[in-house]
Amino acid sequence: DAKTTQPTSMDCAEGRAANLPCNHSTISGNEYVYWYRQIHSQGPQYIIHGLKNNETNEMASLIITEDRKSSTLILPHATLRDTAVYYCIVRVASEGGSEKLVFGKGTKLTVNP
Amino acid sequence: DTGVSQDPRHKITKRGQNVTFRCDPISEHNRLYWYRQTLGQGPEFLTYFQNEAQLEKSRLLSDRFSAERPKGSFSTLEIQRTEQGDSAMYLCASSLARRNTIYFGEGSWLTVV
Repeated sequence: DAKTTQPTSMDCAEGRAANLPCNHSTISGNEYVYWYRQIHSQGPQYIIHGLKNNETNEMASLIITEDRKSSTLILPHATLRDTAVYYCIVRVASEGGSEKLVFGKGTKLTVNP
Repeated sequence: DTGVSQDPRHKITKRGQNVTFRCDPISEHNRLYWYRQTLGQGPEFLTYFQNEAQLEKSRLLSDRFSAERPKGSFSTLEIQRTEQGDSAMYLCASSLARRNTIYFGEGSWLTVV
């Protein structure tokens, strides 16, 4: 089962920042938080990941609380093309050593003009 | 294009037929994953390869499903005696090493009629 909980859906105005929350209260000390997004009918696209510190790249920023029990993905200037399902994932070790990603249902973000 | 490549992108088959999907991972990526995604759900893990060794299989992978990765390069996922419930998008993903980012392909859509 996924170790994260996210709101089912969110709306954002074009040009504004989109802040997507995620709860992962059972995360362990060495487990990373990953964010992917999936635009309709396409494969999941990697956005960003982090362990403890806040991270930023060309797509987004990731803010992780000090206790690591929650995080927020920030899209600084949302565009219509950012409309997608956003998945927050805690990457866990598994018996086979895969460290596979376990997806939940994600947050459907709709960016409105 | 140097991303994960999947073929075919779309397949319609009659119930009871066998189908095979191929995945070419990113060059030099030794870890390969297969996922399945049905409408409205997040991707579900099916199986994992490290080089040519299949190290992890989900309970979702019934006896009708078989995956191979000969020589540790491309991989195939075969579904025998397809059922309507097999209709889904089959995603392949790869990564370079432990804790490296996992990259997904665009998926192969299967419709069983």
